[in-house]
Amino acid sequence: KAGVTQTPRYLIKTRGQQVTLSCSPISGHRSVSWYQQTPGQGLQFLFEYFSETQRNKGNFPGRFSGRQFSNSRSEMNVSTLELGDSALYLCASSLTGGDSPLHFGNGTRLTVT
Amino acid sequence: SQQGEEDPQALSIQEGENATMNCSYKTSINNLQWYRQNSGRGLVHLILIRSNEREKHSGRLRVTLDTSKKSSSLLITASRAADTASYFCATGGLGGYQKVTFGIGTKLQVIP
Repeated sequence: KAGVTQTPRYLIKTRGQQVTLSCSPISGHRSVSWYQQTPGQGLQFLFEYFSETQRNKGNFPGRFSGRQFSNSRSEMNVSTLELGDSALYLCASSLTGGDSPLHFGNGTRLTVT
Repeated sequence: SQQGEEDPQALSIQEGENATMNCSYKTSINNLQWYRQNSGRGLVHLILIRSNEREKHSGRLRVTLDTSKKSSSLLITASRAADTASYFCATGGLGGYQKVTFGIGTKLQVIP
């Protein structure tokens, strides 16, 4: 089975721009979660989608949004980028969420200049 | 905000020694998981222990859970250089499909 695929691997954007990151989960997995990882804050939960519905949400501003498609693929969008948004964005899929182990992609490294 | 908090934040040992990492959490949980992350890559699931279990083994890994103290430990026996990575505990709360939150992690260095 193919693993979780995140594209692109690296991104460089300028303050004020917007960005869209993509995540293809493992086939059959219906839950997709997104995390932001920075050296100082560790992994911060952004949101979780299950069957195209946002089921859980973290404490991030409304500039961070996401969606899930009928094939379980997910995208997250960050508008009006700030320097502090520079981070590794990780996507993880699981069969059902909850107790199911998370399978992570290798992340998208976003740098905002 | 982090639910789990790992201790120590960094650990350096010689190959062949055992490594112990601890995790404390704040609220009641359904389960606790441990993950490994090699530098700049995604996390890999190691082991899951449910709230009604006290100990679990998987190969060279041993995990304990003490729900009365809200703490868990991960023991890696006979460590290898390839075990060099960051280790995270993750918790899912009570009540159905709750979000999984991670600690800051323990950075383990195994010196050959």
